[in-house]
Amino acid sequence: DVKVTQSSRYLVKRTGEKVFLECVQDMDHENMFWYRQDPGLGLRLIYFSYDVKMKEKGDIPEGYSVSREKKERFSLILESASTNQTSMYLCASSLFGAGNEKLFFGSGTQLSVL
Amino acid sequence: GEDVEQSLFLSVREGDSSVINCTYTDSSSTYLYWYKQEPGAGLQLLTYIFSNMDMKQDQRLTVLLNKKDKHLSLRIADTQTGDSAIYFCAESNQAGTALIFGKGTTLSVSS
Repeated sequence: DVKVTQSSRYLVKRTGEKVFLECVQDMDHENMFWYRQDPGLGLRLIYFSYDVKMKEKGDIPEGYSVSREKKERFSLILESASTNQTSMYLCASSLFGAGNEKLFFGSGTQLSVL
Repeated sequence: GEDVEQSLFLSVREGDSSVINCTYTDSSSTYLYWYKQEPGAGLQLLTYIFSNMDMKQDQRLTVLLNKKDKHLSLRIADTQTGDSAIYFCAESNQAGTALIFGKGTTLSVSS
């Protein structure tokens, strides 16, 4: 079975801190995604990557950046965390284009910014 | 842009059928998906339907697609307490590079 592992289940950070959220997948998938999930808003796409060192902005990229130096690892970076970035962050991967392939999700990282 | 709409809550009794509805905007999506999120977990693909199909049945799950009205539904027969979860409808974005999710329907099953 495909496994998508997010390094932290819960994180508490202070406003202004630089925050790294890490995600690793073990099935050699081409595509990786970062979503954030907020009550009443569902899932919103932040960034995705279809290859090493490639990245594409999603619907809400402001305040975030990403890094994909190795195929299996996709990092989400909050350059200067703010309270409105308190959220559940979900990483996902898929083999080819996500339009016609199923996404495999990690368990999520609940980030609180104080 | 693409948009996926679904009602936020549904409450049913154990043994009843549940029907979760979804409307979407992008008719070019080749597949439409239902994902399930159990408490404290990420999303898991529950089922999907090819856009040329009207119906797909998979054990207790029935997916109905009305392409003309851009309406997708998920029926769960004989709903169990273990079906309590958030259900997300999803379609591809126009570029076919990512999935657009609805806000999720929280299904609550009482015994």
